[in-house]
Amino acid sequence: AQSVTQLDSQVPVFEEAPVELRCNYSSSVSVYLFWYVQYPNQGLQLLLKYLSGSTLVKGINGFEAEFNKSQTSFHLRKPSVHISDTAEYFCAVRSPMNYGGSQGNLIFGKGTKLSVKP
Amino acid sequence: NAGVTQTPKFRVLKTGQSMTLLCAQDMNHEYMYWYRQDPGMGLRLIHYSVGEGTTAKGEVPDGYNVSRLKKQNFLLGLESAAPSQTSVYFCASSGGTLTYGQYFGPGTRLTVT
Repeated sequence: AQSVTQLDSQVPVFEEAPVELRCNYSSSVSVYLFWYVQYPNQGLQLLLKYLSGSTLVKGINGFEAEFNKSQTSFHLRKPSVHISDTAEYFCAVRSPMNYGGSQGNLIFGKGTKLSVKP
Repeated sequence: NAGVTQTPKFRVLKTGQSMTLLCAQDMNHEYMYWYRQDPGMGLRLIHYSVGEGTTAKGEVPDGYNVSRLKKQNFLLGLESAAPSQTSVYFCASSGGTLTYGQYFGPGTRLTVT
């Protein structure tokens, strides 16, 4: 079975500071990894995804994530955050299609609330 | 191109009442999903569909039913609402299961009293 752990439920930071949101996953097979962002009272929006190839993935709004297979991690980073980055961030993992009957469904972590203060 | 839309946006039900949530997508996606989001729980998959006329159970299917009569629509039904079903419900669609991310609707906030 697969699972996703987001190690911090809340991360407060000051504007223009760097931030790292941590995500670890467990899986016995290769996976695809995703980060989504949810702004207040909105649906989820895809930030970036890792499928294969380069372990450093760049996404929208200046975010990037690094896939580390040995540590089973996919941490999200931004070198300088803005007030507008205040949102909840979800890490998700997907198995190859039909593995274990899952049809390749997404498994989400419980989310990390990023709060950017002036 | 509206993407994924959900109706209604808000609803209050009394225990035992029934209702249907509608999800529509205009991206010709094969796969559609219903999730519920509760504080501190992330998103949990209720039901999903891999194509018109097919549905399958997700992680938390009890108390819900779904139908996918048309490719663009995915309906979530609550036959007898319970307070435990108070949640925010999100619909999502995907063009494929391997490399695509999922596109989410804006959500429906349901309160069962």
